[in-house]
Amino acid sequence: KAGVTQTPRYLIKTRGQQVTLSCSPISGHRSVSWYQQTPGQGLQFLFEYFSETQRNKGNFPGRFSGRQFSNSRSEMNVSTLELGDSALYLCASSFSQGGRTDTQYFGPGTRLTVL
Amino acid sequence: GESVGLHLPTLSVQEGDNSIINCAYSNSASDYFIWYKQESGKGPQFIIDIRSNMDKRQGQRVTVLLNKTVKHLSLQIAATQPGDSAVYFCAETVSGAGSYQLTFGKGTKLSVIP
Repeated sequence: KAGVTQTPRYLIKTRGQQVTLSCSPISGHRSVSWYQQTPGQGLQFLFEYFSETQRNKGNFPGRFSGRQFSNSRSEMNVSTLELGDSALYLCASSFSQGGRTDTQYFGPGTRLTVL
Repeated sequence: GESVGLHLPTLSVQEGDNSIINCAYSNSASDYFIWYKQESGKGPQFIIDIRSNMDKRQGQRVTVLLNKTVKHLSLQIAATQPGDSAVYFCAETVSGAGSYQLTFGKGTKLSVIP
């Protein structure tokens, strides 16, 4: 079974621009979560989607948004980029059916650099 | 590497020795815990998990111990190999509501000396 895939793997943007990152979960997984990883803050939760609905959101500004499609693929968008948004953005998927907490499996991440 | 913080605790072990990586978690309501391994340039890779109704769980060469009294988690790696060199994160969450977010520790860098 293929793992979680993320595109693109690397991205360079300038301040003020916006960016869209894509994530395809493991086949059969309906929950997709997004995390930001930086050297200073470590891994921080952004949001989680299940069946096209955002179920949970971390403590990030409204510039960070996401969505999930009917095939469970997810995108996250960051508008008005700031230098501090430079990070590794990780997507994770889990089966998460029936309220049970299941293991989250991570993709390789998208390295975003804001100049 | 991409996953390494500037001031990560580092554990250096000799190849073949056992490694013990410790983690203090913060939320007494957390009832599901996972250990991840992250190599440079890659996303976190699942190693082993444990639920709060257990205090020990074993996998292949790895054992996780959970002490809920002091909110402490440890990962033991037997016969450590060079391929085990990576950053290890513990993660905690409160399960049962269907939606959950993982809260990660800061990570420990494991260096295996050949």
